[in-house]
Amino acid sequence: AQSVTQLDSHVSVSEGTPVLLRCNYSSSYSPSLFWYVQHPNKGLQLLLKYTSAATLVKGINGFEAEFKKSETSFHLTKPSAHMSDAAEYFCVVRDTFGTGTRLQVTL
Amino acid sequence: DGGITQSPKYLFRKEGQNVTLSCEQNLNHDAMYWYRQDPGQGLRLIYYSQIVNDFQKGDIAEGYSVSREKKESFPLTVTSAQKNPTAFYLCASSTRGSTDTQYFGPGTRLTVL
Repeated sequence: AQSVTQLDSHVSVSEGTPVLLRCNYSSSYSPSLFWYVQHPNKGLQLLLKYTSAATLVKGINGFEAEFKKSETSFHLTKPSAHMSDAAEYFCVVRDTFGTGTRLQVTL
Repeated sequence: DGGITQSPKYLFRKEGQNVTLSCEQNLNHDAMYWYRQDPGQGLRLIYYSQIVNDFQKGDIAEGYSVSREKKESFPLTVTSAQKNPTAFYLCASSTRGSTDTQYFGPGTRLTVL
């Protein structure tokens, strides 16, 4: 069994500032962790996937996530937000989705 | 082009009617999934199938049924027993199972009138 908690339902940042979307998980197995993004009126797209090869995972569009086993966390970060990053982000353990974090980017 | 197609994009049904949502993939994936998305609740797993002629209930299977007669196809029937069927339904597939990346279709928005 597994579960996912996304700690913020909504995050607002200014363009050019860092982004942090927080995710905690629990899993009975070695976790398969993912971040997906859903832009308005578009499908879900994979951002990145933890494969156990490295704890710091690089994804598309400058996003990264760090797997911390001791903290059971898999937070998503980006050094500098862009307007096009505004979307809903989902942290996923296997086939269990978190409730999502809506990222708003302001000028 | 390889991918997942869902049809129709929008679907309206009267209360008490069954309705079937289509999902087809040409990615040669073994595993397929159905999710329901409601505002503020993320995606919740309805059913999944890892192989033809076999499928398993997800977290919210009540009021839904599926079949997997072909590798490419995984239709979902929303029955009249589903008490709150109005939602956005997403189909996905992956190579083998839930440890693999899932690829999603564009979704079907079902509205019960």
